[in-house]
Amino acid sequence: SAVISQKPSRDICQRGTSLTIQCQVDSQVTMMFWYRQQPGQSLTLIATANQGSEATYESGFVIDKFPISRPNLTFSTLTVSNMSPEDSSIYLCSVERLQETQYFGPGTRLLVL
Amino acid sequence: GNSVTQMEGPVTLSEEAFLTINCTYTATGYPSLFWYVQYPGEGLQLLLKATKADDKGSNKGFEATYRKETTSFHLEKGSVQVSDSAVYFCALSDLSGGYNKLIFGAGTRLAVHP
Repeated sequence: SAVISQKPSRDICQRGTSLTIQCQVDSQVTMMFWYRQQPGQSLTLIATANQGSEATYESGFVIDKFPISRPNLTFSTLTVSNMSPEDSSIYLCSVERLQETQYFGPGTRLLVL
Repeated sequence: GNSVTQMEGPVTLSEEAFLTINCTYTATGYPSLFWYVQYPGEGLQLLLKATKADDKGSNKGFEATYRKETTSFHLEKGSVQVSDSAVYFCALSDLSGGYNKLIFGAGTRLAVHP
């Protein structure tokens, strides 16, 4: 498995501002993933982050809105830019281990007013 | 494309009742299949997984069998407890993009009453 922490655990933000979410893993991993879980919904992959290369974004998500950094093999950040109430969600990072298994962080609960 | 369909919730049961949450999938090839659980206010925890046909994943009294012929991965537990109240997500691994992307079902909320 993996021990994954996220900061902040929750936040309330004003529209038009930006929030950066941090994800820290207890061991080196090649790929890290960022998911969004809108209220009462399932999870949707935002992007995949490899160390040393640009993130790969899924359809419907763009770098200007969700810039991602991956400075080393244990850390990544996701920024939610120019926020609106529609960005209110839980944002989760995950890492992949053996046999295609992903382990998730505790999530960041974001409310945009 | 690949997809996962779960039975709609909420599922409401009395303690010690038998639980089944249906999950079917559509995929090219033979993906790995997973059940994740999300307790109130928490992130996702891996509950169990199966990587090939006829494999049975099990954990904490829950089990699910990878059925290729019916493209299903139904979650079962013989006797639920109040502490099992949570949202359960079925997922598959999609490797078509060159990396492992998890495709999730909509989630099924389980409420267990004493």
